[in-house]
Amino acid sequence: GAVVSQHPSWVICKSGTSVKIECRSLDFQATTMFWYRQFPKQSLMLMATSNEGSKATYEQGVEKDKFLINHASLTLSTLTVTSAHPEDSSFYICSIAAPSYNEQFFGPGTRLTVL
Amino acid sequence: KNQVEQSPQSLIILEGKNCTLQCNYTVSPFSNLRWYKQDTGRGPVSLTIMTFSENTKSNGRYTATLDADTKQSSLHITASQLSDSASYICVVSAVYSGGGADGLTFGKGTHLIIQP
Repeated sequence: GAVVSQHPSWVICKSGTSVKIECRSLDFQATTMFWYRQFPKQSLMLMATSNEGSKATYEQGVEKDKFLINHASLTLSTLTVTSAHPEDSSFYICSIAAPSYNEQFFGPGTRLTVL
Repeated sequence: KNQVEQSPQSLIILEGKNCTLQCNYTVSPFSNLRWYKQDTGRGPVSLTIMTFSENTKSNGRYTATLDADTKQSSLHITASQLSDSASYICVVSAVYSGGGADGLTFGKGTHLIIQP
């Protein structure tokens, strides 16, 4: 399957700061990437769909001004959590859709802890 | 509303034993069903993917079954190993014209612990 990387793997920041998470597709050009959030013992929740060269599509209830997504190239999408608060502490996972569009490959995730 | 229910929520078994995890869904129109393994602090890794016409699919010691009539799936793990300790997530994909993640419904997963 496709290889997806995320950076950083974990980050701790102070409340009010902004944090950028990178998602890279290492062997596949991904026109679409997806960002998920996962709280402990909960299922993955889709936050937004990142489209290369255009604006991201956000799920209902996800603040687009708080979670900035940039998909500047076919191999890189970034998620920036602006003015982070403790309730934003979570596990953030990205994924890419394979050509068949019925298979997704997930990144290893980024653990965000906001103090 | 599309839903995926998994049971049990958690399971503890001894190394070497077999176990079966259950997944019931109400996703429509159905496209495919996938089982993922998620190690703690890691992203999900695909184990199997089954379409409407497939009843069973194996991946090593993992065997998934699908009954599209009753909308049930199971994941059977044979001769469990310590490395099988993880969360197992059932994900059902609905058929939408655009495809992609907006057609996915995730279960909450079954947390499996293998004890030596």
